Amino acid sequence: EAGVTQSPTHLIKTRGQQATLRCSPISGHTSVYWYQQALGLGLQFLLWYDEGEERNRGNFPPRFSGRQFPNYSSELNVNALELEDSALYLCASSPPGGANTEAFFGQGTRLTVV
Amino acid sequence: QKEVEQDPGPLSVPEGAIVSLNCTYSNSAFQYFMWYRQYSRKGPELLMYTYSSGNKEDGRFTAQVDKSSKYISLFIRDSQPSDSATYLCATFPFSGSARQLTFGSGTQLTVLP
Repeated sequence: EAGVTQSPTHLIKTRGQQATLRCSPISGHTSVYWYQQALGLGLQFLLWYDEGEERNRGNFPPRFSGRQFPNYSSELNVNALELEDSALYLCASSPPGGANTEAFFGQGTRLTVV
Repeated sequence: QKEVEQDPGPLSVPEGAIVSLNCTYSNSAFQYFMWYRQYSRKGPELLMYTYSSGNKEDGRFTAQVDKSSKYISLFIRDSQPSDSATYLCATFPFSGSARQLTFGSGTQLTVLP
């Protein structure tokens, strides 16, 4: 069974540009979570999507946004990139009604803003 | 003050040693406690989770929770070089509406052969 897949693996953008990161959940999973892992800061919760709706949002500015498609895959968009947005962005998925203890993470997308 | 504090290390131990990894948390609403292992350039993988105070054992790993002191620990017995990774503690409240995990910053562990 395929795990959570994220693309691209690496992304280099210039300050002010927009970045789009993609996530395909495990088959049968309907919830997708996005986390930011900046150096030395641990994982910070960004967004939670379930059944196509945004259910919860972390303490990040509005230029961080996303969506979930009918096939439950998800996209994270970061507008007006800043240098401090450089981080590993991790996606996790969980089954319908599943708890956080059933969430599995992908390998992440390493975003570098120069 | 962060809601979950974790000593970042780095921590180096010889093979076979007992490793103790620790976190403290400040929010009494946190009810579930989890430990993740993250190898370099990989996503975190769930090692163990526990709800109640006390110990939970899984092979060489033991998770310990003391809710009265808001202290959680992970013990690794007979540590192996393959255990070298960053270990992250995480927690969330019982409420299902939040769903967000609050993580510690991670402890980098190296087990020397």
